[in-house]
Amino acid sequence: DQQVKQNSPSLSVQEGRISILNCDYTNSMFDYFLWYKKYPAEGPTFLISISSIKDKNEDGRFTVFLNKSAKHLSLHIVPSQPGDSAVYFCAAISLNAGNMLTFGGGTRLMVKP
Amino acid sequence: EPEVTQTPSHQVTQMGQEVILRCVPISNHLYFYWYRQILGQKVEFLVSFYNNEISEKSEIFDDQFSVERPDGSNFTLKIRSTKLEDSAMYFCASRSGTGAPGYTFGSGTRLTVV
Repeated sequence: DQQVKQNSPSLSVQEGRISILNCDYTNSMFDYFLWYKKYPAEGPTFLISISSIKDKNEDGRFTVFLNKSAKHLSLHIVPSQPGDSAVYFCAAISLNAGNMLTFGGGTRLMVKP
Repeated sequence: EPEVTQTPSHQVTQMGQEVILRCVPISNHLYFYWYRQILGQKVEFLVSFYNNEISEKSEIFDDQFSVERPDGSNFTLKIRSTKLEDSAMYFCASRSGTGAPGYTFGSGTRLTVV
């Protein structure tokens, strides 16, 4: 049961360029989508979220886009910095179904100086 | 910035032994969670806890697992008789219950069952 899927296990970009991380989902009942960043030996750190009624949310260098008809969301990081190198998890939550997060498998981002 | 604190950071235990993983959630948060991540796999939901009771649990959270909030600050996960396949990173998380549902996760406990 893969309700949230990240098809790219890894992504490598040059410092200063844009990083685009993608996520697909199957459950149309999700209310919020969230992106988390994870360094080794640390817990996931919340980055940015978007409500299912929006199509874009921006916070500094991070922008999340939601395409509900395609059941697809993406995280854009611009400009990318070496410190952004980490594993990025897409997650979704249905507020009427227990409030638990359903995670994607993660994408490892490497930003090269 | 408020943190979710987990102890220990690493626990090694023999198969069949009981373990207790401890968490101190953010003080004004109302919802508490345990997740786990087996090496190389997804982060998986185990259980959610609200108003001093379990509100949701996954299929993973069988009779060998239990949670408690014994004193209003700690939130514990107990595994009664550990199995090799319980080896994983266990993450505690909490959230306030208002506004956008951004969870705050602890740094995790690495459980190794030998």
